[in-house]
Amino acid sequence: DIQMTQSPSSLSASVGDRVTITCRASQGIRNDLGWYQQKPGKAPKRLIYAASSLQSGVPSRFSGSGSGTEFTLTISSLQPEDFATYYCLQHNSFPRTFGQGTKLEIK
Amino acid sequence: EVQLLESGGGLVHPGGSLRLSCAASGFTFRNYAMSWVRQAPGKGLEWVSTISGISGSTYYADSVKGRFTISRDNSKKMLYLQMNSLRADDTAGYYCANLASTSGDYYETDYWGQGTLVTVSS
Repeated sequence: DIQMTQSPSSLSASVGDRVTITCRASQGIRNDLGWYQQKPGKAPKRLIYAASSLQSGVPSRFSGSGSGTEFTLTISSLQPEDFATYYCLQHNSFPRTFGQGTKLEIK
Repeated sequence: EVQLLESGGGLVHPGGSLRLSCAASGFTFRNYAMSWVRQAPGKGLEWVSTISGISGSTYYADSVKGRFTISRDNSKKMLYLQMNSLRADDTAGYYCANLASTSGDYYETDYWGQGTLVTVSS
């Protein structure tokens, strides 16, 4: 099974900050990775697919990079609505695996 | 408008059974592999199961293998999850979604239901 190690588990930041979240795969997954945002009581929403492609309708301050085993999600300038929990998901092989999540909180 | 609407959640005793349903509309359902994802209260997301679009190939997390069965009816645009031998640690919100194809290819679209809560307790 492929393990996805996501870091940090939590992060405090201010509006306007640049933040980066990382996911490392235990083995190579090409670019078969998505990034999701989840707000309390809501379904997850995908921000990035294929590691670096921006989902339609998602603001351009979100970007993804990486391939193989190391991936990053970057938010270039945090907005108030970005405070949420973020997850990566590998869909290279079964079982599909999510990262443990990163809770982004207001400093 | 694309919609995925889950139903069938509720309170069940340990060892009991429950069948979740997910009604799809607004997209060509048969073209997509569909998945169930769950989230225990206050915890992260966990992939549960996936079924391919046409052939019906199925895949399960080890935690549910042998107890849960995923199925679909493309003519009715319905996805199902039959859950047997339920345990307390199956307590979670269950979402249906089109995560990715069974071969690993991404979908440019991202569809999720609103979730249905399953509580396993005596």
